[in-house]
Amino acid sequence: KNEVEQSPQNLTAQEGEFITINCSYSVGISALHWLQQHPGGGIVSLFMLSSGKKKHGRLIATINIQEKHSSLHITASHPRDSAVYICAVNVYGGSQGNLIFGKGTKLSVKP
Amino acid sequence: DVKVTQSSRYLVKRTGEKVFLECVQDMDHENMFWYRQDPGLGLRLIYFSYDVKMKEKGDIPEGYSVSREKKERFSLILESASTSQTSMYLCASSWPRDSLRYGYTFGSGTRLTVV
Repeated sequence: KNEVEQSPQNLTAQEGEFITINCSYSVGISALHWLQQHPGGGIVSLFMLSSGKKKHGRLIATINIQEKHSSLHITASHPRDSAVYICAVNVYGGSQGNLIFGKGTKLSVKP
Repeated sequence: DVKVTQSSRYLVKRTGEKVFLECVQDMDHENMFWYRQDPGLGLRLIYFSYDVKMKEKGDIPEGYSVSREKKERFSLILESASTSQTSMYLCASSWPRDSLRYGYTFGSGTRLTVV
């Protein structure tokens, strides 16, 4: 069983829809990251969370430490949001390099 | 704008060649990482470095080595390239985890094909 699970694997939405991507993890963590990868490969860090909620523009990330669950929400989705969204966690007490990744959610937003 | 720069976006090499992938960051980050990304497997850590001349093996170090002679530069070396090393390679850097500025910055990736 993967330590970081994302759902759904693939998501197709119409422009303007509200989107939710989920991430569940089975280890104790010190931080959780949401990353965005566009076709072509480069990865951008969207959020780093250790508790509560963060908002940046149309993106909102929440985390529930007790339930070991995080969600990434996109409001008023747009075709330029089409990308792979990756959840990753730092294991509590782990080494500096111990970032465990989910397998990603591929989002396609249709105009 | 802060950057992690990987020297090549696309690279084609022959089996048995020695391959160098270069990564440079301009943020004075202590930590640097090399990952490979494969369909269905996600991102996997090859090696990371938390200081100049320091390195630690990640999950899949076999067939790879690294070099960090200067703080800003972290090189990944494929000693004798094989077709199984065809992949997307991503470099990243970060402050130490106990830093208030902790967070990762990734490069644009190098898509390596070994023929």
